[in-house]
Amino acid sequence: DAKTTQPTSMDCAEGRAANLPCNHSTISGNEYVYWYRQIHSQGPQYIIHGLKNNETNEMASLIITEDRKSSTLILPHATLRDTAVYYCIVRFRDRGSTLGRLYFGRGTQLTVWP
Amino acid sequence: DSGVTQTPKHLITATGQRVTLRCSPRSGDLSVYWYQQSLDQGLQFLIQYYNGEERAKGNILERFSAQQFPDLHSELNLSSLELGDSALYFCASSEQGGFGNEKLFFGSGTQLSVL
Repeated sequence: DAKTTQPTSMDCAEGRAANLPCNHSTISGNEYVYWYRQIHSQGPQYIIHGLKNNETNEMASLIITEDRKSSTLILPHATLRDTAVYYCIVRFRDRGSTLGRLYFGRGTQLTVWP
Repeated sequence: DSGVTQTPKHLITATGQRVTLRCSPRSGDLSVYWYQQSLDQGLQFLIQYYNGEERAKGNILERFSAQQFPDLHSELNLSSLELGDSALYFCASSEQGGFGNEKLFFGSGTQLSVL
């Protein structure tokens, strides 16, 4: 799986948008970009994923650059409960690949302040 | 609630002992994954089972073993425990074999403390 680079930590004021960047410059055309988060000692929680196009769901938006070498996770109105470690992961798409596992790096510790 | 159930939530044992961690995947999910999370190593993939068969292996020690039963629940067996095995152990499940477009759903983990 392609490696990702994320800032170690970020802060955000409650109610503001949190924009979490991720660099995946070695991503291949067969790899999805996934975002998970982990609230202190809980199991990781799926947020969103995408291949080429921008994606939005009830939790967040994912913006992927045209060259796919970087992406940004956007939490539009951050709350205190969004304080967590956010992991950006790239993952093979092909059926038959045995690389279904997720590789978790160190992620970004997002702290939302009141 | 992810739908993945792990038991027990906490386990305290002594060095040299053997323990079994249990995981029930979401209804209908065929794959089960085990991850270990320690403070210094982060989340490490251990092993994946798909429909009863081992599918992929990660950084799993020889003292550790796992299996997936016909009802699709899985057990992770840790033996000859050492202090360094103290960690959070997570189970996750996915619908199929973990292909690129599948989401993984994680349980709440088992906190293992080896004294």
